[in-house]
Amino acid sequence: KAGVTQTPRYLIKTRGQQVTLSCSPISGHRSVSWYQQTPGQGLQFLFEYFSETQRNKGNFPGRFSGRQFSNSRSEMNVSTLELGDSALYLCASSLSGAAEQFFGPGTRLTVL
Amino acid sequence: GIQVEQSPPDLILQEGANSTLRCNFSDSVNNLQWFHQNPWGQLINLFYIPSGTKQNGRLSATTVATERYSLLYISSSQTTDSGVYFCAVEPDNNNDMRFGAGTRLTVKP
Repeated sequence: KAGVTQTPRYLIKTRGQQVTLSCSPISGHRSVSWYQQTPGQGLQFLFEYFSETQRNKGNFPGRFSGRQFSNSRSEMNVSTLELGDSALYLCASSLSGAAEQFFGPGTRLTVL
Repeated sequence: GIQVEQSPPDLILQEGANSTLRCNFSDSVNNLQWFHQNPWGQLINLFYIPSGTKQNGRLSATTVATERYSLLYISSSQTTDSGVYFCAVEPDNNNDMRFGAGTRLTVKP
């Protein structure tokens, strides 16, 4: 069974731009969660989608948004990029709540 | 919110040595996982262990949910075990995992 895939793997943007990251979960998984990893803050939860509905959201500004499609693929969008948004963005998929989560390889975003 | 503390923050071992990594959490959880992050950033699943004991080769883990801690044991360490080990807990059923700060393990040949 194929694992979680994320595209693109690397991205360079400038301040003020917006970016869209994509995540395809493991086949059959309906939950997709997004995380941000930075050297200063560590791994932080962004939001989680299940059956196209956002069920939970972490403590991030409204510039961070996401959505999930009917095939469970998910996208996250960051608008008006700031230098501090430079990070590794990881997505994870699972069957349901409290089930084992499996992570993708991540998208490394650099904001100049 | 729930607090997750990992210790030690850094650990340096000689190849062949054994080690124990600890994860303390401040509230009851529905899920607990251990991960190894490779140099490219990928989080590799080690254990899904909300309670009890599991073993996988040289690695084993124990979670005592009533006392709110989990332990990861690495025996006969190898240089390829180097990296950062994360403990993550889920306080509810919404897949919003909370990560500890990690333990950076360095295994020297």
